[in-house]
Amino acid sequence: GNSVTQMEGPVTLSEEAFLTINCTYTATGYPSLFWYVQYPGEGLQLLLKATKADDKGSNKGFEATYRKETTSFHLEKGSVQVSDSAVYFCALSAGGQGFSFIFGKGTRLLVKP
Amino acid sequence: DVKVTQSSRYLVKRTGEKVFLECVQDMDHENMFWYRQDPGLGLRLIYFSYDVKMKEKGDIPEGYSVSREKKERFSLILESASTNQTSMYLCASSSTDSYNEQFFGPGTRLTVL
Repeated sequence: GNSVTQMEGPVTLSEEAFLTINCTYTATGYPSLFWYVQYPGEGLQLLLKATKADDKGSNKGFEATYRKETTSFHLEKGSVQVSDSAVYFCALSAGGQGFSFIFGKGTRLLVKP
Repeated sequence: DVKVTQSSRYLVKRTGEKVFLECVQDMDHENMFWYRQDPGLGLRLIYFSYDVKMKEKGDIPEGYSVSREKKERFSLILESASTNQTSMYLCASSSTDSYNEQFFGPGTRLTVL
């Protein structure tokens, strides 16, 4: 079946450090891949997405590239800010009617000044 | 701006009470979802609906039911609340195109005493 595995947190970084959060997936066919972010006390917001191999999603300085050969979609940011502290979820959609949407367990990021 | 709204941000109920959580979306989406989010467990799908009056069980439907009488509204019902249903409840919606991106509401934090 389809699955998403992402690195466990928490990840603690100093401001302006480089961020990588690893995400790998297992899926049949050609899934779409997503990163969502959840700030404290809020629901999930879409951060970026990629719908086919070699696509790069980007938003707010975050990037992730859809790597079919390694079945990965790692999230990166060159210089994190305190305001990036949140929980990040990797997810895939294997198409169909939407109920094949699979989330990873989330990675908490804490950025210290 | 697209929107998914949930009826309450915080709710406190007593064991045995019947609890209704309401979710409304204004995007004319076909699919709607209810998740619960618990520390260390990520998001778990309770129920979803891909059309009015249609519903499908997710991963953890026990103790819950749902209702979808109108396209924009999806209700989660706890027939007899129990303390192990204390959790954050998230509603989401998606269309059958747009690569099935899900849009989330702000969440309802339910405490059952």
